[in-house]
Amino acid sequence: AQKVTQAQTEISVVEKEDVTLDCVYETRDTTYYLFWYKQPPSGELVFLIRRNSFDEQNEISGRYSWNFQKSTSSFNFTITASQVVDSAVYFCALHSGGGADGLTFGKGTHLIIQP
Amino acid sequence: DSGVTQTPKHLITATGQRVTLRCSPRSGDLSVYWYQQSLDQGLQFLIQYYNGEERAKGNILERFSAQQFPDLHSELNLSSLELGDSALYFCASSVEIDGPSGNTIYFGEGSWLTVV
Repeated sequence: AQKVTQAQTEISVVEKEDVTLDCVYETRDTTYYLFWYKQPPSGELVFLIRRNSFDEQNEISGRYSWNFQKSTSSFNFTITASQVVDSAVYFCALHSGGGADGLTFGKGTHLIIQP
Repeated sequence: DSGVTQTPKHLITATGQRVTLRCSPRSGDLSVYWYQQSLDQGLQFLIQYYNGEERAKGNILERFSAQQFPDLHSELNLSSLELGDSALYFCASSVEIDGPSGNTIYFGEGSWLTVV
């Protein structure tokens, strides 16, 4: 069975602070894919990143960075110099290469950036 | 804009009724997924279609059904609606069937269903 845990239900920081959203996953598959999605107050799910299990390189995209560590089954997401527009619910999701049952989502972390 | 189009965006209906949600996948995407997001259950996978055929089933109720048409658009039919069916229903699409090569799954803006 697959599982994604986002232990942080809600995080509140002041604008310009750095913030890290944690994601821990469980899967027995050796090939799998990890995703992060952003859900702003308007409700849509916005794709942020996909990471393959065989590629442990960390990735940076502007103020966003992701730290993938297979040893600890974690795929954490850091926002540097946060902005009010970053306020949203962020979901980590897992999909295994051997399964065809869609994405398994964590419960999400509600990020509040205060001006 | 993800390229996945869902209609209607909002829907209010009474218990016992039936509704149909429609989804147009991104151009070129053969795989369509349906998800339900509710406050108590979070984001739940319902069903996946690939090129017109059912590929995988998740936590989809028997009162719910879906299909994918030859033009690749998909419909999710919800019948005998109950108050607990009130949720945000997402359609998503990807370019190829899930497999070792993996693919990125893009979501539409969702259809808000309220059952009263």
